[in-house]
Amino acid sequence: GENVEQHPSTLSVQEGDSAVIKCTYSDSASNYFPWYKQELGKRPQLIIDIRSNVGEKKDQRIAVTLNKTAKHFSLHITETQPEDSAVYFCALRGPRKGGKLIFGQGTELSVKP
Amino acid sequence: NAGVTQTPKFQVLKTGQSMTLQCAQDMNHEYMSWYRQDPGMGLRLIHYSVGAGITDQGEVPNGYNVSRSTTEDFPLRLLSAAPSQTSVYFCASSVQHEGTGELFFGEGSRLTVL
Repeated sequence: GENVEQHPSTLSVQEGDSAVIKCTYSDSASNYFPWYKQELGKRPQLIIDIRSNVGEKKDQRIAVTLNKTAKHFSLHITETQPEDSAVYFCALRGPRKGGKLIFGQGTELSVKP
Repeated sequence: NAGVTQTPKFQVLKTGQSMTLQCAQDMNHEYMSWYRQDPGMGLRLIHYSVGAGITDQGEVPNGYNVSRSTTEDFPLRLLSAAPSQTSVYFCASSVQHEGTGELFFGEGSRLTVL
């Protein structure tokens, strides 16, 4: 079944630096890979997602890359800002319509001004 | 639209008590789910539903029951609360669309079991 491992669990960067979070998965049938951001005391919210037929997707300072062969996908945040500080979760879903969404363990990103 | 509404926001139970966490959405979403969030464990799926009358187990279903009698409501029942069930619970919903679809979360319910 679906399983996803997320690393690192904590990440501290200086403002303006880049941050990269990586997730690996085991089920090659997984075909949808979203990333969620959770600010302190708030609910998780979708920030970017990618489907298995796409290798990379960008939205301003954030991007997601997918390597289907190696079964990993990564979140890239460039020019980090203090407001990027949050917990980030990767997730994945199988191809079945309405299949369950499984989350990684989360990465706590701290951006120091 | 109110989105996904969860009640209560906070609850303290004694071991062995039962309770129901309520979840309602007004977006006509077919897919609904319950997650628990614990430090270092991420969001773990408890139960989910792909439509009224259909439910299925997630990663950590033991000790919890769900039902889906309507499209809008997806209550989570704790049958006999245990301290291990102390957690923050999130209800979430999405449209059904070939495996994709943004998951919309409720505000969360913080449960403490003494």
